[in-house]
Amino acid sequence: SQQGEEDPQALSIQEGENATMNCSYKTSINNLQWYRQNSGRGLVHLILIRSNEREKHSGRLRVTLDTSKKSSSLLITASRAADTASYFCATDPANDYKLSFGAGTTVTVRA
Amino acid sequence: SQTIHQWPATLVQPVGSPLSLECTVEGTSNPNLYWYRQAAGRGLQLLFYSVGIGQISSEVPQNLSASRPQDRQFILSSKKLLLSDSGFYLCAWDSSPVTFGSGTRLTVV
Repeated sequence: SQQGEEDPQALSIQEGENATMNCSYKTSINNLQWYRQNSGRGLVHLILIRSNEREKHSGRLRVTLDTSKKSSSLLITASRAADTASYFCATDPANDYKLSFGAGTTVTVRA
Repeated sequence: SQTIHQWPATLVQPVGSPLSLECTVEGTSNPNLYWYRQAAGRGLQLLFYSVGIGQISSEVPQNLSASRPQDRQFILSSKKLLLSDSGFYLCAWDSSPVTFGSGTRLTVV
């Protein structure tokens, strides 16, 4: 079963705007990871945030983690057309080897 | 360097035919390996994972099986494909973070 659930399912924004998507999960985790998938391609790792971290930045990406609410958010600032892709969160659960992915958020950035 | 290889990239197979998808990793030993399937426009469904040679855990009952004959080799198989087996199959390695293969687009006709 999928542990991570992304919200919204789809997002359409204008170039230059910020895009925010959320991920909720159910069990305790070691870390949470965000991935990007361009259409028909494999997944590319974006950022990993550990359970003892609350916020992490990488370029135009900002990830937050709230373990008390079992939720994470991914913010893409100053979006570009090239950011058009599907974004997935994945949870690395404590005491388990199974990496679980959500259904993803499809982001479309309009030029 | 650490890399993961998955092949073939695309495959069109008739219903009832067998399947064998191969995944290998380089630059590491005793990796945790995973097979995921992604239906069109959907998220990733974990099919199998393996923490060592000959150790396979299945997540969902299905027409597929997996094997790990060598430490860095993970194979996804089927004896007789169904139409519903069509999808995008991804091999992955828990390299913290997870590293994915480039995927195999399987179309069963």
